[in-house]
Amino acid sequence: LAKTTQPISMDSYEGQEVNITCSHNNIATNDYITWYQQFPSQGPRFIIQGYKTKVTNEVASLFIPADRKSSTLSLPRVSLSDTAVYYCLGSGGSSYKLIFGSGTRLLVRP
Amino acid sequence: NAGVTQTPKFQVLKTGQSMTLQCAQDMNHEYMSWYRQDPGMGLRLIHYSVGAGITDQGEVPNGYNVSRSTTEDFPLRLLSAAPSQTSVYFCASSYSSGETDTQYFGPGTRLTVL
Repeated sequence: LAKTTQPISMDSYEGQEVNITCSHNNIATNDYITWYQQFPSQGPRFIIQGYKTKVTNEVASLFIPADRKSSTLSLPRVSLSDTAVYYCLGSGGSSYKLIFGSGTRLLVRP
Repeated sequence: NAGVTQTPKFQVLKTGQSMTLQCAQDMNHEYMSWYRQDPGMGLRLIHYSVGAGITDQGEVPNGYNVSRSTTEDFPLRLLSAAPSQTSVYFCASSYSSGETDTQYFGPGTRLTVL
């Protein structure tokens, strides 16, 4: 399972686009990149997952360059309710033993 | 579907006491896991199960036991509680899809050991 590195915290304002970059230099060939979101006093929630290039869903976009050594989670037009901790994980299909780092604490200000 | 449910929501124990944290899922998922989360930290894997009757250790298994007699239930037992086990405990379930690694998490149990 890939070790990931991401910023400890980020600040933004409502309506802005937020990009959180995650580094995973030793990602394995069969690892996917997955992002989870966690609100205070709640369990993590799956946001998006990708293998390479770009993936988009109703919540976010995920950009993974060709070398797959990093990835960027993009949250368009954030609101106060997007204030949370965001975790980047690399995993190879072992959904039962995910390895979480410390995550990125995103604070969205009015 | 209720998803993943955990009981109790809060618990206070004295050092040396034992207890069982309950976890149940109604999604017929084959995989279930237990994590603990200390303040300001990410989640750490305690134990996991890939099916009924099959369990294995995660990163921090000491002081905890698990069993999986049914697909739905995956209880976590604290054998002799210690203050270092004060944490929030999350149970999760998932299934094998060949590609995705989506785990569904319960609401957590906040445990304090005095």
